[in-house]
Formats: sequence, structure tokens, C-alpha cells
Amino acid sequence: GAGVSQSPSNKVTEKGKDVELRCDPISGHTALYWYRQSLGQGLEFLIYFQGNSAPDKSGLPSDRFSAERTGGSVSTLTIQRTQQEDSAVYLCASSPTGWGTYEQYFGPGTRLTVT
Amino acid sequence: AQSVTQLGSHVSVSEGALVLLRCNYSSSVPPYLFWYVQYPNQGLQLLLKYTSAATLVKGINGFEAEFKKSETSFHLTKPSAHMSDAAEYFCAVSEGGATNKLIFGTGTLLAVQP
Repeated sequence: GAGVSQSPSNKVTEKGKDVELRCDPISGHTALYWYRQSLGQGLEFLIYFQGNSAPDKSGLPSDRFSAERTGGSVSTLTIQRTQQEDSAVYLCASSPTGWGTYEQYFGPGTRLTVT
Repeated sequence: AQSVTQLGSHVSVSEGALVLLRCNYSSSVPPYLFWYVQYPNQGLQLLLKYTSAATLVKGINGFEAEFKKSETSFHLTKPSAHMSDAAEYFCAVSEGGATNKLIFGTGTLLAVQP
């Protein structure tokens, strides 16, 4: 079946611009996660959705970062007034549920470059 | 707070040799532990997971890992390396529960020499 998809695969933007990154999880998965992968910080958790709610936003690095999820499906991560330190690969993952031992299925990521 | 330490950011082995990638964890509660592999320009793929059942866990592509509580370790092994195993490997820990967010190690880049 279809896996997690993300778009765009690559995004180059100028410092100060806003960007939107999209994630389409596996159909039926209620849990959705965003992670960031950068050279300096490794893989970091950003935010967790259960359905359309985000009970854990503890990894969002600043108030320039926000995310939403609609219809219990698609999620959008928005970065406002991008900075060079935002350059990274943003990974989305989904899971049948946020509880217990279920594994997370990752998308291919969006590579964001801020110039 | 939970954390994961992967010793060796780069490991090089010869084709056919044993692969050993090290992972130590810190957790205040019984953890769930995962090994993921990342090929260039791709997302993460689950190799195997430990969820408090058997301590020796077998995964895909001939990999396995042993959970050792006394050593707080979850090392990944493969008896015989193949060229296609060249990739970056990440160990991760989760407390499970209502969030199940993953805390990742810094990764180990495995090179396989012919």
C-alpha cells in the first residue's frame, strides 16, 4: 500500500520567507509526528498529532514554527520568517496509534534550504 | 530524561565480516527500543524493535539486536556484511505511553569495503 508521502521533496527559500511543508500519512493512521534532521542537531522530535489535536508540541524550536492537521489526515508544518538555521530535512512519520509499541513509518522527507 | 548514545559515528567493515553497531540508552522506565536504517536521500526504515518481549530481537535483512538491561545496551549485529548494508543506522528510544515520540541517537554511518 501507499506509504507516507511528503511534498515538496526539496524547497529552497530566501531568508525571511514563509514555507509550508506537507505530509500525507498512511491511510487510517491516527498518530502523526514531525521530526527535523540537521547536521548540527541530528534527528529531533518537533510535534505529535493524535487525530487533529497536538498534545505534544514540546519540540517546536520557536514560535515561528507551527503545524496543523485536518480531517485526521494531511498535516502541514509552517515555518514563518525562515532563518538559515532552519535549513534541514523535515521528516514526517505516522503510526496506527500513538500508544504503546507501534512503529512509526517515515516519509522521504523535505529538504529545506534557506539562502 | 531519556537519551541514546551511539558509539562510533563511522564504522567500516569488509564484505562478509561481522557488523556491530553500538547503542546505549538511558531511561527511567522500561524502554521501547528501535533500530532504523536510512539510505541516501531516503526516509527511515525500521530494522527491528524491542518491546519487552524476547530480549534477542530479529529484524529484516539479517540484522538482530540483544537487549541487555544490566548494560543498558541494545547493540545491532549482522553476521556477514553485504555491500547493500552501507547506510546510516539510528538507534532510538521511546517510553511508549500516550505519545511514543522517539529520541534518536546521533547515528552511525556504516561503510562496507569490497
